Amino acid sequence: GAGVSQSPSNKVTEKGKDVELRCDPISGHTALYWYRQSLGQGLEFLIYFQGNSAPDKSGLPSDRFSAERTGGSVSTLTIQRTQQEDSAVYLCASSLMAGTGDTEAFFGQGTRLTVV
Amino acid sequence: AQSVTQPDIHITVSEGASLELRCNYSYGATPYLFWYVQSPGQGLQLLLKYFSGDTLVQGIKGFEAEFKRSQSSFNLRKPSVHWSDAAEYFCAVDQVLSGGYNKLIFGAGTRLAVHP
Repeated sequence: GAGVSQSPSNKVTEKGKDVELRCDPISGHTALYWYRQSLGQGLEFLIYFQGNSAPDKSGLPSDRFSAERTGGSVSTLTIQRTQQEDSAVYLCASSLMAGTGDTEAFFGQGTRLTVV
Repeated sequence: AQSVTQPDIHITVSEGASLELRCNYSYGATPYLFWYVQSPGQGLQLLLKYFSGDTLVQGIKGFEAEFKRSQSSFNLRKPSVHWSDAAEYFCAVDQVLSGGYNKLIFGAGTRLAVHP
């Protein structure tokens, strides 16, 4: 596609429910990142994918958070048993390749998650 | 660990005034540095980046930034601010990790307000 696409753009869920957030990266981009942006906070790194594997999951806040990527393309971030502190904007980014440090990451519009 | 500091959380300038947003980084090697802008309800857009070479880099929308190794800084500047520049600005450093991948480390952001 022309850019990184995330869905849904907004999600309101009840505390304790599971949610799935989707990211469709730019075609051909092998690197994919998930970040979280809480109100008034910067961007918090969650997880990185190179192809289908996730060499860095260090930013996942708890075991309620998981992510997968299939076919080297679409990624889903799943939050189980959502809590109010999970409310944030979840941003996905992709880049052509990783490991060189000089590649630009392109961001999606984000999914605004509200847990009530 | 690598880090990025944006000392100013909130800045207000008058339209037509000059602007400088500060960014300091902590990184052992030659850094790859970025400035992103996030308009309300939008994703992040790359303004400019520094990889090597000329320490003064030009970006989109009339922005420029200067890399100063001695001060570990990468401040963003614009000679004359427009009302449409009101947004949140993020400085980032690309952390190249063993294992052949990299990830962006973001500052907390600076929110810019522009008075008419």
